Amino acid sequence: KQEVTQIPAALSVPEGENLVLNCSFTDSAIYNLQWFRQDPGKGLTSLLLIQSSQREQTSGRLNASLDKSSGRSTLYIAASQPGDSATYLCAVLMLTGYSTLTFGKGTMLLVSP
Amino acid sequence: GAGVSQTPSNKVTEKGKYVELRCDPISGHTALYWYRQSLGQGPEFLIYFQGTGAADDSGLPNDRFFAVRPEGSVSTLKIQRTERGDSAVYLCASRPQGSGANVLTFGAGSRLTVL
Repeated sequence: KQEVTQIPAALSVPEGENLVLNCSFTDSAIYNLQWFRQDPGKGLTSLLLIQSSQREQTSGRLNASLDKSSGRSTLYIAASQPGDSATYLCAVLMLTGYSTLTFGKGTMLLVSP
Repeated sequence: GAGVSQTPSNKVTEKGKYVELRCDPISGHTALYWYRQSLGQGPEFLIYFQGTGAADDSGLPNDRFFAVRPEGSVSTLKIQRTERGDSAVYLCASRPQGSGANVLTFGAGSRLTVL
């Protein structure tokens, strides 16, 4: 059974810092990996999707990398802003099954002004 | 509608009661998913519908949980004899036919509190 782990569980940084969120998964037979953002009382917003054949994806200040063989992904946030404060979730889609996502527990990020 | 709509947004009930949670997917989306997110946890898969039928219900925790989608659009998650451990946010997501699971659009969720 696939297990997804996210470290750290919580992170507090001052505005302007660059930061890295980590995600690991136990079964490397993934189809792709996705990073989501979750704000309190809101649904999940997809940030970046990395196919299993890709090494990284970038969107604005966000960069996600994938090392499938070692079962790891990182989300890099450059020049953090208070508006980045949210919970960030990592999810993997397996090669088999009914296209369901397996999520980590998330990293709760607080960026202070 | 423009997005996935879930009602109620908040539901407080007593242990042992019956609860229904509703999901209105994006119009035309054939696939619909239910997830449950407990406090401090990531969303956990409950059930997946393709059209009117449940293609995968392997995530339903026990027989107190049941979901329907009779006309292939709106879905209702039903929980019988609620227990305190059922307290969580129940998320619904939908996607169009033919797309991968990652083109999911999530609703804001229904927060269930069982006293």
